[in-house]
Amino acid sequence: QVQLVQSGAEVKKPGSSVKVSCKASGGTFRSYAISWVRQAPGQGLEWMGGIIPIFGTADSAQGFQGRVKITADESTSTAYMELSSLRSEDTAMYYCARDVTYGSGSYFDYWGQGTLVTVSS
Amino acid sequence: DIQMTQSPSSLSASVGDRVTITCRASQSIYNYLNWYQQKPGKAPKLLIYAASTLQSGVPSRFSGSGSGTDFTLTISSLQPEDFATYYCQQSYSTLRAFGPGTKVDIK
Repeated sequence: QVQLVQSGAEVKKPGSSVKVSCKASGGTFRSYAISWVRQAPGQGLEWMGGIIPIFGTADSAQGFQGRVKITADESTSTAYMELSSLRSEDTAMYYCARDVTYGSGSYFDYWGQGTLVTVSS
Repeated sequence: DIQMTQSPSSLSASVGDRVTITCRASQSIYNYLNWYQQKPGKAPKLLIYAASTLQSGVPSRFSGSGSGTDFTLTISSLQPEDFATYYCQQSYSTLRAFGPGTKVDIK
């Protein structure tokens, strides 16, 4: 059974950075992409970016370019999302999700439990 | 970037009702469209991928259709456990995007 287990909640000051981890088990880590999705309180889902561990290549949404760094460590089957220059609007639940490719499309079939990041002075 | 819209943003329905949610993409995404269900405090759950393929374990009252820019999610007979928020998501572009969501609540 595939599981994605994320690191615990974080409280950060404005202007600082946060790094969230997502450890995969029960599947072949390098065979799938991992995406990061966030959800501000009471708001919808926002795709932030993703990485294909086997290639180490990452993409990010336009609104996060320059602030988000997505990496993966195959040796520990763990993906990481680091967000810098934090502001209050970054307060949100952050999810990782396994991104399964079929043909030219993909879908998110397994999700982490979420990591709450609170940005407050 | 591809933009996704959904309508309605919310709806009220009764158990047993047929419910239809619409999703529209800003350009053709062929059939690279997924649907998710999210309940409060929980991670989203995949319902349908490739516009109309039911994910394993998802009840058959859920169905999806459409291609190009216009898609629908239909719940044939709403059950108490279906009250939730539903999101569409495109995977045509490597820059994935979700729709804004449709909240289904009890009438």
